[in-house]
Amino acid sequence: EPEVTQTPSHQVTQMGQEVILRCVPISNHLYFYWYRQILGQKVEFLVSFYNNEISEKSEIFDDQFSVERPDGSNFTLKIRSTKLEDSAMYFCASSVDGQWAFFGQGTRLTVV
Amino acid sequence: RKEVEQDPGPFNVPEGATVAFNCTYSNSASQSFFWYRQDCRKEPKLLMSVYSSGNEDGRFTAQLNRASQYISLLIRDSKLSDSATYLCVVKLWGKLQFGAGTQVVVTP
Repeated sequence: EPEVTQTPSHQVTQMGQEVILRCVPISNHLYFYWYRQILGQKVEFLVSFYNNEISEKSEIFDDQFSVERPDGSNFTLKIRSTKLEDSAMYFCASSVDGQWAFFGQGTRLTVV
Repeated sequence: RKEVEQDPGPFNVPEGATVAFNCTYSNSASQSFFWYRQDCRKEPKLLMSVYSSGNEDGRFTAQLNRASQYISLLIRDSKLSDSATYLCVVKLWGKLQFGAGTQVVVTP
């Protein structure tokens, strides 16, 4: 069964450092998303990406965040200067038609 | 008002029983509706889409009431493996909006 894969599964970084979270969406999907879930809280939308550009972003997705699709398979989320409050599980998701989305297993980011 | 609201539970359900719970959404322009399931520290997984006419998938039945802006999920003949957090998800424009989830605990 096709799946969304994310690496690494767990990333520990020092406050102020840059991190890049990587995702390989399902191959025939056209819509890509990043979500995050702070421990014990709900899943929050960060950004959606379609046709090689951001289609929508939330207020969480400020100038510290960026996304890229550097080649035909990878979809990355970069956080330029991490803060303690960025600690969360980050989920990548993809969709073939922009309806329901399949989620990757997540990257647990811990900022210390 | 929260965009998607759910009763957090937990709903403690004896094995074999039926459990039902709702979710409400605030934006009448919402386009599509889903139930996802999330196990502890795992990713959300699509359980089922929710259609206006109501739909069933095995032991799971989902209903949508657009007039009252709520969605429901009913689980019949609960199994131990149904223990999870059930996420109500609403699609508005280009994004999925998640409720905080309803925890269901099925007990032997």
